[in-house]
Amino acid sequence: GENVEQHPSTLSVQEGDSAVIKCTYSDSASNYFPWYKQELGKRPQLIIDIRSNVGEKKDQRIAVTLNKTAKHFSLHITETQPEDSAVYFCAASSSGSARQLTFGSGTQLTVLP
Amino acid sequence: DADVTQTPRNRITKTGKRIMLECSQTKGHDRMYWYRQDPGLGLQLIYYSFDVKDINKGEISDGYSVSRQAQAKFSLSLESAIPNQTALYFCATSDYRNEQFFGPGTRLTVL
Repeated sequence: GENVEQHPSTLSVQEGDSAVIKCTYSDSASNYFPWYKQELGKRPQLIIDIRSNVGEKKDQRIAVTLNKTAKHFSLHITETQPEDSAVYFCAASSSGSARQLTFGSGTQLTVLP
Repeated sequence: DADVTQTPRNRITKTGKRIMLECSQTKGHDRMYWYRQDPGLGLQLIYYSFDVKDINKGEISDGYSVSRQAQAKFSLSLESAIPNQTALYFCATSDYRNEQFFGPGTRLTVL
């Protein structure tokens, strides 16, 4: 089955700086890669996703890049704000008709004022 | 997302008790999922269902069972709860594009 590794497990940045979180996956047939943000005590919420037919997707301060050859994808947050502090999870969709998501272990992002 | 609801939101129970967690959705999605979240381990898939007649085991199904009563309802049962099942449980739904929407979670404590 699919295996997703996420790094780093914790990340602290100064407000206004950029943050980058990286994930690798094992199943070369995976074709859907979402990112979720989970604030303390809340449910995970989809913030951006990318499918394998594109290499980059951007939504305001958030961008995701995908390198299918190397089997890795990254989340980039620019101009970080205190409200960006949360746990971020990457995920990959397994191949075939099943298509369940396999999640990374999460990154605790702290934006320091 | 108010369209996916879970009951109860919190539950404390004792070892050996039977527990049922319920999930309902008004999003009209065919696919529903149950996940378990432990600190530092991300989200682990317990069971998933792609329609009322379809039930599939996830990566950590031992000790759990599910029932898909209708398109909108998917229940998770712990037949005989044990302390290492203490965790946060999330239900999720998706359509064919696999964009998953999560419920608010149920915090379960097994003493």
